[in-house]
Order: sequence, then C-alpha cells, then structure tokens
Amino acid sequence: SQKIEQNSEALNIQEGKTATLTCNYTNYSPAYLQWYRQDPGRGPVFLLLIRENEKEKRKERLKVTFDTTLKQSLFHITASQPADSATYLCALDSGDYQLIWGAGTKLIIKP
Amino acid sequence: DGGITQSPKYLFRKEGQNVTLSCEQNLNHDAMYWYRQDPGQGLRLIYYSQIVNDFQKGDIAEGYSVSREKKESFPLTVTSAQKNPTAFYLCASSIRLAGALNTGELFFGEGSRLTVL
Repeated sequence: SQKIEQNSEALNIQEGKTATLTCNYTNYSPAYLQWYRQDPGRGPVFLLLIRENEKEKRKERLKVTFDTTLKQSLFHITASQPADSATYLCALDSGDYQLIWGAGTKLIIKP
Repeated sequence: DGGITQSPKYLFRKEGQNVTLSCEQNLNHDAMYWYRQDPGQGLRLIYYSQIVNDFQKGDIAEGYSVSREKKESFPLTVTSAQKNPTAFYLCASSIRLAGALNTGELFFGEGSRLTVL
C-alpha cells in the first residue's frame, strides 16, 4: 500500500530564510499531491496542489516541486515569517477514493 | 461566509456512552468526510459520503456510525464499541469525491476533541 513519510522532527528556521519541507512516498506515483497547513487545535487549510505532469507550482512565497523519479515533493516557503509557524501536511491520491495523508512536519520560524 | 461547522469543540465521554459529533457545511459540496487525527499519525479516514443517503466505510470505521440525510449534514456517532475514542476528529467536504480523477481541495472544519473519562 502507498505510504507517505514526512520529517517527524520539528524544523527550526531563522526568519527571512527559506524553509524546505519534504514529503516522500513509497509506491506508485500519484496523480497529484496536495499541501495543507494546520495550526494547533484547528483544521487543515489547503495551500497548493501539484499534478504528476507538473514539475513546479508557485503561489506567492510558496513553491512546491514534484519529482516522480525520486518519489518526492518539496515544499518551500521563501522569506519565512514567524506567522508561517505551523504544521504542514502533504496528501496524495490513493488511486482509489481517498487521500493518503502524511503525519506532518512542524515548522518553527524564529524571529 | 461559506464553510464547515463542527460542534462541539470539546467533548467528554464516559465509558459505555455513545456521543455524536455534528458537521454542517454550506458550501454545496457533494462529498463529505470524517477523519481521525492522533499525535504522530496522518489523518485516517473513518467514513465518507459521495451523495445524500449514501456513505462508505473508510479505513477505521469500526466503532463509528454516520448518516447523510441532508446534503449539508454528516454527523458522526462514536459508539461504545470504539475502544480508543480519545482523539481529534475532523470533518471535511469537497465539491466531488477526492480520488485519482478529482483533484478538488478538501475544506475542513475546526475539529472536535473527544476525551474519554
């Protein structure tokens, strides 16, 4: 079955630097992959979607890449701010009726 | 504003009790979902519904039940058969059922935290 791995350790980044989060999957390449942001005690909020035939997607300070050879997606936040501190989840389609979710990586941006 | 409303935010249950978590959406979405979130784990699907009066089991449906009598509403009942119900429960919706062909984003509620006393 498909599995997703996100770094379970928190990522500490200095304000103004670029934060890079990793999402690795193990089996078949999904048709698309999504990234969400989750603040403590709240529901996830959709950020970006990237399809299997896309190498890169951008939205303001956010950038997502998708490497089907490495079976990996990278999520970048440029010019990071303390307000970017949150847990970031990746999810990919299972090829069936549901999304498969990573456990998320906690990002901490230090002033 | 359109969105998903979950209630209650916090809920305490005694052993042997059934509890029902409410989920209402005014986004006119066909698909609705219930997920369970535990520390260190990805979201796990409990039940999903593609259309009114139809719902399907997800990966961890045992000890849970749902109904979909109205498009806007998808309540989840945590029954006494659920052995470890303490968790954060998330309701979500999407325009169409998520899958390989439908890439629509999921909209989530604010979650309900259930604690067993």
